[in-house]
Amino acid sequence: DTEVTQTPKHLVMGMTNKKSLKCEQHMGHRAMYWYKQKAKKPPELMFVYSYEKLSINESVPSRFSPECPNSSLLNLHLHALQPEDSALYLCASSQEATGLSNQPQHFGDGTRLSIL
Amino acid sequence: KQEVTQIPAALSVPEGENLVLNCSFTDSAIYNLQWFRQDPGKGLTSLLLIQSSQREQTSGRLNASLDKSSGRSTLYIAASQPGDSATYLCAVDFYGNNRLAFGKGNQVVVIP
Repeated sequence: DTEVTQTPKHLVMGMTNKKSLKCEQHMGHRAMYWYKQKAKKPPELMFVYSYEKLSINESVPSRFSPECPNSSLLNLHLHALQPEDSALYLCASSQEATGLSNQPQHFGDGTRLSIL
Repeated sequence: KQEVTQIPAALSVPEGENLVLNCSFTDSAIYNLQWFRQDPGKGLTSLLLIQSSQREQTSGRLNASLDKSSGRSTLYIAASQPGDSATYLCAVDFYGNNRLAFGKGNQVVVIP
């Protein structure tokens, strides 16, 4: 069982809908990440939160809006998405948002998002 | 630009054979390197993390080596089983900021 829990597992939405993806971890990690993964491709980093503050935004379109309500929760709010946004969205966490700690990133099983 | 390469993209091995997966990276000054496993439609499972100061890490049937001078890491899986069939991803932290550069992965099929 993964220690990072993502809901929902699957989501189908129209281009005018508003929905949210949720991620939760109870490992006491202070860094949380959102990745996007297209089929047969490696994950692409979208956002990094460190100590509940946004530290990295990889030039992601504003139709994706991240939120970190507390140290255990990470949300990704979706609005006016395009068909090309269909992908597997992965959440990850690590002890710190720095590789200096040499601690691995732990991933959830992802949300499979389909945009109609 | 820092890059991570995994070749071949796909391979098949008979059950019981040792599996050898290679990862190469463009800069020897790395902070750490991680190997992940991904099953179809699932997230990534961390297998091993090798720190810059280490030369290898072992966990059960898995052994990962790191040669920074040549820019290479190798993942060995001993006595492969059909359950080892998955995609294996190599990821490098080049800057110590936990922004991982991923290879494209090796899709492995272990044939019973």
